[in-house]
Amino acid sequence: QVQLVESGGGLVQPGRSLRLSCAASGFDFSSYGMNWVRQAPGKGLEWVATIWNDGSQEYYGDSVKGRFTIARDNSKNTLYLEVSSLRVEDTAVYYCAKISSPRLGYVDKWGQGTLVSVS
Amino acid sequence: QSALTQPASVSGSPGQSITISCTAAGSDAGFYHYFSWYRQFPGKAPKLIIYDSNRPSGVSNRFSGSKSGYTASLTISGLQADDEGLYYCSSYTTFSTAFGGGTKLTVL
Repeated sequence: QVQLVESGGGLVQPGRSLRLSCAASGFDFSSYGMNWVRQAPGKGLEWVATIWNDGSQEYYGDSVKGRFTIARDNSKNTLYLEVSSLRVEDTAVYYCAKISSPRLGYVDKWGQGTLVSVS
Repeated sequence: QSALTQPASVSGSPGQSITISCTAAGSDAGFYHYFSWYRQFPGKAPKLIIYDSNRPSGVSNRFSGSKSGYTASLTISGLQADDEGLYYCSSYTTFSTAFGGGTKLTVL
């Protein structure tokens, strides 16, 4: 079955950088777009970024544009999120999420998330 | 402010039906054609329960989705105690994805 396992979260100081990873299994990773979605403590879901199945297009939410970079390595079935110039307000659980189609679509599977704390 | 607006809370008694609305607003409102719904329990990842008014396999037929104009709706019929939780709507355009602010469902 589909499995998405995030890693790389932790406690980091403001202004520093971090790289989150998401190991995917149980499906043809190279055929689906992927999202990062975050959730601040006690808050709702916030879309962070999208990458097409072949990595040719990336889209970002306004609050992270210019600071975060989404990437993927289809040979390793792994999704990444480079987060830089971190702010206190970036503190959140970051979810890796599979999209239902190669480019656009709804999220049909979620990872369990990795917590990033900026303090 | 989210591009998709949901009520903060809804409640109902066991056996009743409830509906959670999700209204698109702003410059992208006309581009949100397809909606999905997720349920989230505390400390857990969200789970897909409705997509484009369809149910994934394994989701109870007590859950149904619809859309009219700029508003999507999730209806839960035959309310049960374990339906309590947070519910989020979502939609996407060519360039972005949006989530509603979430609705807390309380079963009285």
